[in-house]
Amino acid sequence: NAGVTQTPKFQVLKTGQSMTLQCAQDMNHNSMYWYRQDPGMGLRLIYYSASEGTTDKGEVPNGYNVSRLNKREFSLRLESAAPSQTSVYFCASSEARQVGETQYFGPGTRLLVL
Amino acid sequence: RKEVEQDPGPFNVPEGATVAFNCTYSNSASQSFFWYRQDCRKEPKLLMSVYSSGNEDGRFTAQLNRASQYISLLIRDSKLSDSATYLCVVLFSGSARQLTFGSGTQLTVLP
Repeated sequence: NAGVTQTPKFQVLKTGQSMTLQCAQDMNHNSMYWYRQDPGMGLRLIYYSASEGTTDKGEVPNGYNVSRLNKREFSLRLESAAPSQTSVYFCASSEARQVGETQYFGPGTRLLVL
Repeated sequence: RKEVEQDPGPFNVPEGATVAFNCTYSNSASQSFFWYRQDCRKEPKLLMSVYSSGNEDGRFTAQLNRASQYISLLIRDSKLSDSATYLCVVLFSGSARQLTFGSGTQLTVLP
């Protein structure tokens, strides 16, 4: 039981390049989330998916797109990377059967945009 | 003003000490409260939920004061392994399960 997995672990991009961050969970959770974490700012929600087939914007969606490919997988795409998107990206999942339940996080992807 | 505010620290305490962290939140219509722990360069993990009546889990005690809109975490008999960043997390009513995270308080327990 791997929980939440993310690939890649590290990535360096040049400004304007695109890439997709992959996330998968094996806990049969309904909800999945993408966050970014920057120094001194806490985690901020980029997008979330309450259930398979639905996605919604979070606090900082600009510059990102997401796909809930199936119940297990939720990907985050940067179409044209900018230095401001240098951050640590965490994917998370939860059962979503009750409000305020535990979210389980993946190990993170460290992204540097030059 | 941030919706969830924490003293960033760092708090450096000797082993065996008692240490307390506070967190304030701006929205009185908040629904659920949590403390998460994040080790250096790792993902956050739930430490404990915070209930209105206060709750304890071993050496950890969490308290909620809705009138003053703050949450506290008390760690007794600190261990070296308690060194981490502690994140205050709030679920605001009507936010569709969107957790709001504080920026964290860094704790280092010294031998």
